[in-house]
Amino acid sequence: GAGVSQSPRYKVAKRGQDVALRCDPISGHVSLFWYQQALGQGPEFLTYFQNEAQLDKSGLPSDRFFAERPEGSVSTLKIQRTQQEDSAVYLCASSLGRQLNSPLHFGNGTRLTVT
Amino acid sequence: ILNVEQSPQSLHVQEGDSTNFTCSFPSSNFYALHWYRWETAKSPEALFVMTLNGDEKKKGRISATLNTKEGYSYLYIKGSQPEDSATYLCAFRSSYKLIFGSGTRLLVRP
Repeated sequence: GAGVSQSPRYKVAKRGQDVALRCDPISGHVSLFWYQQALGQGPEFLTYFQNEAQLDKSGLPSDRFFAERPEGSVSTLKIQRTQQEDSAVYLCASSLGRQLNSPLHFGNGTRLTVT
Repeated sequence: ILNVEQSPQSLHVQEGDSTNFTCSFPSSNFYALHWYRWETAKSPEALFVMTLNGDEKKKGRISATLNTKEGYSYLYIKGSQPEDSATYLCAFRSSYKLIFGSGTRLLVRP
């Protein structure tokens, strides 16, 4: 595909439900990031993958949040027992290499609303 | 805690004005500084990635400078146009994390 694809675009969940957010990075991109963006704030780092290895998950706010990238391409961010404070836009981004100077390519995000 | 500060938070300018924003970041453990432009209803788009102290980058009417020793970067827009209206984000890369500021929201009035 031409860019990073995220689905669903919008998700409404009742408090306590589990949700799964999908990210299709640009083909061949090694690095993949997940970010959480609350209204009026900049994106907050959640986790980072290099191929299938999750090298940093220090930004995941609680053990209800889980991310995986089992084959080093598509990634899923799962949130268990959603809470209202989980309402945010979840952004996925990929970059070509491991180099620390590679620009990120972002998806359009998934807007999660927990009611 | 790694903190990236951007100022001003928002800015309204007239078409044709030149403007600049500031990004402040930790001066230690520096790997790279990124600038992104985020238009409403679109995804953030990379403008620059800067790695060397004293680096200057330019893309059309937009340019950026970097001072890693004192921990700041400036983004300049020359002769602002309405299509420049967007949120401009900077991000500091330290190891695997790319830490974003809250952005500067620019509105250019025709």
